[in-house]
Amino acid sequence: GENVEQHPSTLSVQEGDSAVIKCTYSDSASNYFPWYKQELGKGPQLIIDIRSNVGEKKDQRIAVTLNKTAKHFSLHITETQPEDSAVYFCAPSRGEGGGNKLTFGTGTQLKVEL
Amino acid sequence: DSGVTQTPKHLITATGQRVTLRCSPRSGDLSVYWYQQSLDQGLQFLIQYYNGEERAKGNILERFSAQQFPDLHSELNLSSLELGDSALYFCASSVAYRGSPLHFGNGTRLTVT
Repeated sequence: GENVEQHPSTLSVQEGDSAVIKCTYSDSASNYFPWYKQELGKGPQLIIDIRSNVGEKKDQRIAVTLNKTAKHFSLHITETQPEDSAVYFCAPSRGEGGGNKLTFGTGTQLKVEL
Repeated sequence: DSGVTQTPKHLITATGQRVTLRCSPRSGDLSVYWYQQSLDQGLQFLIQYYNGEERAKGNILERFSAQQFPDLHSELNLSSLELGDSALYFCASSVAYRGSPLHFGNGTRLTVT
């Protein structure tokens, strides 16, 4: 099955700083790479995703970069704000073939301090 | 609002009992996923249905079962409950079988006493 790891497991930054979370996966057939944000008491919510025919995607203060050769992708948050404090999960998956257990990463607790 | 509805929001029951969690997917979504999230733990995949058929299975206990009905809503049945089954149970839906965004409900918090 798919092994998915996230680093770091916790991240504390000052407001206005940048944050980077890395997701490493094992299934070379993965071609869909989303990031989810989970706020306290809520279900995870998709914040950005990328497909394997694209190396980078940006949406305002958040971006995702993909290195398919090395089998990792990263979430970048710039100009962090207190409302960015949450747990972030990656969930790489295949588009075709094989099993589809849709494994989530272990999660990264981001804390943005004033 | 993700469009995914889970009921009930909270459930408190005793060991040995059986409960049913319900999920209504987002309109138009054919795929339903169930996840378990224990305290300070990640999201553990349980099972996926697509258009009424089971498509993938994770580390789901034999005491747990699920199904997706013709109207696409899904139910997760948990029986012979143990203290360790206390967790948040999330349902998610997506439009495709794979490779598309998941839309999560806000979960059912199960407490087994």
